[in-house]
Amino acid sequence: ILNVEQSPQSLHVQEGDSTNFTCSFPSSNFYALHWYRWETAKSPEALFVMTLNGDEKKKGRISATLNTKEGYSYLYIKGSQPEDSATYLCARNTGNQFYFGTGTSLTVIP
Amino acid sequence: NAGVTQTPKFQVLKTGQSMTLQCAQDMNHEYMSWYRQDPGMGLRLIHYSVGAGITDQGEVPNGYNVSRSTTEDFPLRLLSAAPSQTSVYFCASSYQTGAGSYGYTFGSGTRLTVV
Repeated sequence: ILNVEQSPQSLHVQEGDSTNFTCSFPSSNFYALHWYRWETAKSPEALFVMTLNGDEKKKGRISATLNTKEGYSYLYIKGSQPEDSATYLCARNTGNQFYFGTGTSLTVIP
Repeated sequence: NAGVTQTPKFQVLKTGQSMTLQCAQDMNHEYMSWYRQDPGMGLRLIHYSVGAGITDQGEVPNGYNVSRSTTEDFPLRLLSAAPSQTSVYFCASSYQTGAGSYGYTFGSGTRLTVV
């Protein structure tokens, strides 16, 4: 994998469903993996920063895991709510440079 | 409120004109950066700075200049605007990057159109 890739590109779920999406990245020259939440007409907001293989982070109903050896991270949302609708970005930090994926657009249908 | 302040929010330029996008933060962040957001593409790093007096190129630096005379300010200059520079620009800052990484704080963005 040369770039940061996110899948799926978009996702529609019903309110109350749990969901997850993937961020894949080159495992070489890894320093940190960031997750951001980006609501329409706003700026991206940091959710998690993960640096160690096996890291797990949690904030409310949202959690993330990191596998640096195989180069992927999962973001999980439990019991999705309409206010979770946003684009979720991941970014690989290689020191002083960041490489962003194109994001997963999540729509939660009431 | 503390944060990253970007100005202007919107700008229309004619091809060949120059302008400066302003970015200021009041969080004493050492690391500041500029990104552009284009449809179908992820945020791409233009230039970054790890402290006052230190700047470096990112992924897409051509056509842009930066300087960092103070910790707070990190302006982005377009010397001769081209239609290919039509984009949404974000300034972002962070306390630290790398292994001790902190998340970015983003500005509200500048929507630039070059005609």
